[in-house]
Amino acid sequence: EVQLVESGGGLVQPGGSLRLSCAASGITVSRDYMGWVRQAPGKGLEWVSVIYVSGPTLYADSVRGRFTVSRDNSKNTLYLQMNSLRAEDTAVYYCARGTGSSWSFDFWGQGTLVTVSS
Amino acid sequence: QSVLTQPPSVSAAPGQRVTISCSGSSSNIGNNYVSWYQHLPGTAPKLLIYDNNKRPSGIPDRFSDSKSGTSATLGITGLQTGDEAHYYCGTWDSSLSAVVFGGGTKLTVL
Repeated sequence: EVQLVESGGGLVQPGGSLRLSCAASGITVSRDYMGWVRQAPGKGLEWVSVIYVSGPTLYADSVRGRFTVSRDNSKNTLYLQMNSLRAEDTAVYYCARGTGSSWSFDFWGQGTLVTVSS
Repeated sequence: QSVLTQPPSVSAAPGQRVTISCSGSSSNIGNNYVSWYQHLPGTAPKLLIYDNNKRPSGIPDRFSDSKSGTSATLGITGLQTGDEAHYYCGTWDSSLSAVVFGGGTKLTVL
């Protein structure tokens, strides 16, 4: 059974940092495409970042230069380091496994809430 | 403003068929496969359809999709009250080098 469990969310002040973790079981993050998607309160799904099996990463314009996706193969865990956080980054953050030919996501975690507020 | 355009809401009666549209451009839907997701509040989104009408294990064939040019459509037949949810389309945008989603459509089963 595939499980993705996010953690690390919480309340942070504008300009602060957080690191989200996504512990995987039933899949191998180093051999799968992985991504992060978020949902702000009352809004739709918004893609954040992806990391390819071979290592390259991509980011949405809204987070490029502030967020960094990485993985620890020994822990089978995906990370999202978030710096210079803004109020508009407030959202539930989901990690997900990529599949298919056009970046579909077939397994998702339950999400972790990040609130950026003073 | 989402790159992909969906109607904010649709509704239909139990047992009926409903369609949800997703409009894009040549850089996304026009040249890439479309995925469809079902999302209930407080839960993880669920992949329904990907790569030209492929369904993950456990997704019934009541869910199907079609594409014409730069638009895609999700069809749901035999509507059930449990189908009430938000539905999102998504795909790769080759010009943006980004995954893009529609704004979501709330399905109400009357």
